[in-house]
Amino acid sequence: SQTIHQWPATLVQPVGSPLSLECTVEGTSNPNLYWYRQAAGRGLQLLFYSVGIGQISSEVPQNLSASRPQDRQFILSSKKLLLSDSGFYLCAWSVSGEIRRGYTFGSGTRLTVV
Amino acid sequence: KQEVTQIPAALSVPEGENLVLNCSFTDSAIYNLQWFRQDPGKGLTSLLLIQSSQREQTSGRLNASLDKSSGRSTLYIAASQPGDSATYLCAVGSDNYGQNFVFGPGTRLSVLP
Repeated sequence: SQTIHQWPATLVQPVGSPLSLECTVEGTSNPNLYWYRQAAGRGLQLLFYSVGIGQISSEVPQNLSASRPQDRQFILSSKKLLLSDSGFYLCAWSVSGEIRRGYTFGSGTRLTVV
Repeated sequence: KQEVTQIPAALSVPEGENLVLNCSFTDSAIYNLQWFRQDPGKGLTSLLLIQSSQREQTSGRLNASLDKSSGRSTLYIAASQPGDSATYLCAVGSDNYGQNFVFGPGTRLSVLP
């Protein structure tokens, strides 16, 4: 069966510090991968999606970047965090070319920038 | 551009009641619609997935319906329990590759014992 792992679960970082959040998927190959952010009291916002290794599409211009160094690994990064980067970050995957199978989400990372 | 809304934003009911959560979308050209549950501080758990060719899906006490032509989906929860308390989100897929998977803002449900 397929599983998705996301870590860390919580993170408190000072303004200006770097960020690295990791997401891995097991039990499938060539998944579509996504990073979402959920700010307090707001809906889910798609940040990045990837359809293959090294292929990253950005939905929202921001202080963040994403990379996909391996088929089932998706990393969200920042060189210098801003207060506005605080939020709940969720990784998700779907079967490539088969959105009819829906999305599966990770457990999320709560990021607080202080 | 697809827009998804959910009504009500919050709902509080006594245990045992049957309830309906609503999801509306503006563009009826969808691939599928997925209902999720989110507990506070947790990730999203998929509840039901309805393909565009389907009218409804059922899982236990949950039933989700889809009316593409009117741009609506409902999530029916029978005999609600305190453990059903969570935020329920619907999301609409508008293509087969996932880039256009739009979420509603959610309905926060509280089931009182």
